This record gives sequence, C-alpha cells and structure tokens, in this order.
Amino acid sequence: TAGITQAPTSQILAAGRSMTLRCTQDMRHNAMYWYRQDLGLGLRLIHYSNTAGTTGKGEVPDGYSVSRANTDDFPLTLASAVPSQTSVYFCASSVGGLSTEAFFGQGTRLTVV
Amino acid sequence: AQSVTQLDSHVSVSEGTPVLLRCNYSSSYSPSLFWYVQHPNKGLQLLLKYTSAATLVKGINGFEAEFKKSETSFHLTKPSAHMSDAAEYFCVVSGVKAAGNKLTFGGGTRVLVKP
Repeated sequence: TAGITQAPTSQILAAGRSMTLRCTQDMRHNAMYWYRQDLGLGLRLIHYSNTAGTTGKGEVPDGYSVSRANTDDFPLTLASAVPSQTSVYFCASSVGGLSTEAFFGQGTRLTVV
Repeated sequence: AQSVTQLDSHVSVSEGTPVLLRCNYSSSYSPSLFWYVQHPNKGLQLLLKYTSAATLVKGINGFEAEFKKSETSFHLTKPSAHMSDAAEYFCVVSGVKAAGNKLTFGGGTRVLVKP
C-alpha cells in the first residue's frame, strides 16, 4: 500500500518562481493537510481540507494556495516563492474527526534561492 | 486555542537506560493526544494516541505515555532505550472542532542514544 505519495522529494527553486508540490493518497481519507517543518518549530499547518471540494487556512497560510478537486489529490502551490519558504513540506491525511491520527508522506525538501 | 510544549529540545540517554520525554498541553476542549516519531530524513510515524479511554497508553516499540489531566501532561516513556530509538519525537494535540482534525505540534525533542 502506497499510503501518501509526495512529489518531488526535493527541489531547488529560484525566488519569484512558482511551484506546485503534489500529494496523492490512496486510503480514501476525507481530510488532508499540508504542514511545513522548520527547526525548533515542529510542524505548522499551512492549509487543510476536511473533504473534497473544501479547503481552509491553517496557522501559516500566506504565500500558499491549495485545491481539493477530488478525494485523492491535494496540491500545494507557491505562486511566487521567497527564501523564507525554504522548508520541508509534509502532506498528511486522516479519516477525519478529532481522535483520528494523521498519516504522513515522506516530505518534500524545498530550497528557495 | 490549543498549544503543546515539549519541555526538552534534546535528550541524551545511554542504551539500556530509561527514556522520558516531557509534554504539556493546553486545550479548550477534551483533547486527543498523540506522540509521533521521525527518523532522519523520514516522514512521521504514529507511536501512540490517547482518546479519552485508558489514561495509560501503550504504543509501538515499547513506548507508553500517561495522560494526567490535573497536570495537563502527556509524558512519553520507555524502560530501556535502544540505539534505534535515536530520532525526533513530537507531542501533538487535537481538539479544535472548527478545523476538523487540526493537529497542533510541539517543537520536538531530539533523542540521542549513546552506546
């Protein structure tokens, strides 16, 4: 079982360029999330989607956008990258509900130069 | 609002000795609490979770955690550390209904295991 697949695994991006980080899950989970991980800060929620067709802003949404056209895919787009968006990005999914755990992808390491 | 504080950013233990990772939380709701482990250059894996059933929760790889509401704590322990336990550990709280299963992460505790 693949679980959650993220692509690419790493990327170097010039400042000002746009990029889409891809995330696909095969568990038919309702909820999906994007987090960024920075040293000493743990993981911070960027955007989330409780179900296909809906999205919401997390803790650090500025500079990012998402869409949820279907259950399986949840792409994250950086419209115009800045160096402060250098981070490791994790996509996650869960069945939904307050007591259900999230399953994480392997991460995308993004460097904006 | 909800928040999580991991009291130690780094913990160093010798192989075969106990491990204690401390976590305090705050939540306006009855929380669900989780511990995740992240090995170098890997994704996050669930160790265990508390969801208002038994206050002592057993997880994978010999880890367990005790939920103490009076102390708002959810400390993670293991009786005997193994070299493979070297990793970063995250305490996580879930409990804000408005954002679905919105997980709030602590800053992480990096565990070093010495031979």
